[in-house]
Amino acid sequence: EIVLTQSPGTLSLSPGERATLSCRASQSVSSRFLAWYQQKPGQAPRLLINGASNRATGIPDRFTGSGSGTDFTLTISRLEPEDFAVYYCQQYVTSPPGYTFGQGTKLEIK
Amino acid sequence: QVQLQESGPGLVKPSGTLSLTCAISGDSITSDEWWTWVRQPPGKGLEWIGQIYDRGNANYNPSLKSRVTISVEKSRNQFSLTLSPVTAADTAIYYCALNTGYSQGAWGQGILVTVSS
Repeated sequence: EIVLTQSPGTLSLSPGERATLSCRASQSVSSRFLAWYQQKPGQAPRLLINGASNRATGIPDRFTGSGSGTDFTLTISRLEPEDFAVYYCQQYVTSPPGYTFGQGTKLEIK
Repeated sequence: QVQLQESGPGLVKPSGTLSLTCAISGDSITSDEWWTWVRQPPGKGLEWIGQIYDRGNANYNPSLKSRVTISVEKSRNQFSLTLSPVTAADTAIYYCALNTGYSQGAWGQGILVTVSS
């Protein structure tokens, strides 16, 4: 079983700053199978990035996904007030077919 | 643009059966796509439950496989989740979603299901 570990658990930053969120896999993951989601309180998750680096429709270009193998990163270049939320990484597993999520990183206003 | 809406009982008794439906609008359940259920216990992270293809092929989370069934109702353009028997640990917000590649690109708003006597 491949486990995704996100760090840090909580990240405290100010609007305008740069955020770097990490997702580390216990075994190598195909970049095709790595996604990032944003979840605000009381809302469903929203897909930000799939294929490790492809922004979903309507996602601002301040969100950038990168990485390969076991280390993946979500970078938010200049934080807007609406970016403070919880972020999850997710992987697709081929055998047996399915998905697992990281435990999440809470991005809070400093 | 596809829209998803979960419905079902908000309260289920322990050892009972949780049954939820996801109504689809703006898309057809027979459009060669995968449809997914995800849950989230209050204050906790996301857990993938399973997915189904319009032809009925389904995959389940190994930790839930013995208790879960996902099915398609083509005539009603919806898909369903059944989980049985349930315990308090199954209390969660349940989301339905549409897969986009190897991810979930569209989500319902979620429905809170509490397991309690």
